Amino acid sequence: EPEVTQTPSHQVTQMGQEVILRCVPISNHLYFYWYRQILGQKVEFLVSFYNNEISEKSEIFDDQFSVERPDGSNFTLKIRSTKLEDSAMYFCASSSGQGDTDTQYFGPGTRLTVL
Amino acid sequence: AQSVTQLDSHVSVSEGTPVLLRCNYSSSYSPSLFWYVQHPNKGLQLLLKYTSAATLVKGINGFEAEFKKSETSFHLTKPSAHMSDAAEYFCVVRWNQAGTALIFGKGTTLSVSS
Repeated sequence: EPEVTQTPSHQVTQMGQEVILRCVPISNHLYFYWYRQILGQKVEFLVSFYNNEISEKSEIFDDQFSVERPDGSNFTLKIRSTKLEDSAMYFCASSSGQGDTDTQYFGPGTRLTVL
Repeated sequence: AQSVTQLDSHVSVSEGTPVLLRCNYSSSYSPSLFWYVQHPNKGLQLLLKYTSAATLVKGINGFEAEFKKSETSFHLTKPSAHMSDAAEYFCVVRWNQAGTALIFGKGTTLSVSS
């Protein structure tokens, strides 16, 4: 069964450094998403991406964040200058975008630790 | 304001007994509704989804949920808990069309004792 994959599984970085989180969505899906889950809190939407542009973003997704689909398979989230509060589990998801039955399938997550 | 509320942060049951995880949403119309499960150190797995075809939805691993518009509820049930059901469960809504954000409840931790 097709699945969303994410790399790395765990990333440790110093405050102020740039990080890039990588995702490979399910191959025939058209919509791509990033969510995050700070430890002990609920899962929060960051951004959705369709047709090579951002289709929706939350207040969390400020100028420090960017997304890109650099080739036909990868979808990346870049955090330009990490802060301590960026420490969280980041989940990538993808969906086909087909009507009421549209379902977002999630990857296993990347745990980002900012020191 | 539109919101999704999971009424219990933690539910404990014994193996073989029924499971009830409660979820309410507030909206003037019917959103798309989902339950996802997260096992320790794992990603988010879809359990089931409501798509307006039927109010009683069956999912994986024996779980089911009933959409009740009059009560704005979408509670998750299972007749008989198994040890492997111990996990975090999220009630999730999508207010708008396909391809838009999912809004997660705060989650319910299910513990199953032998």
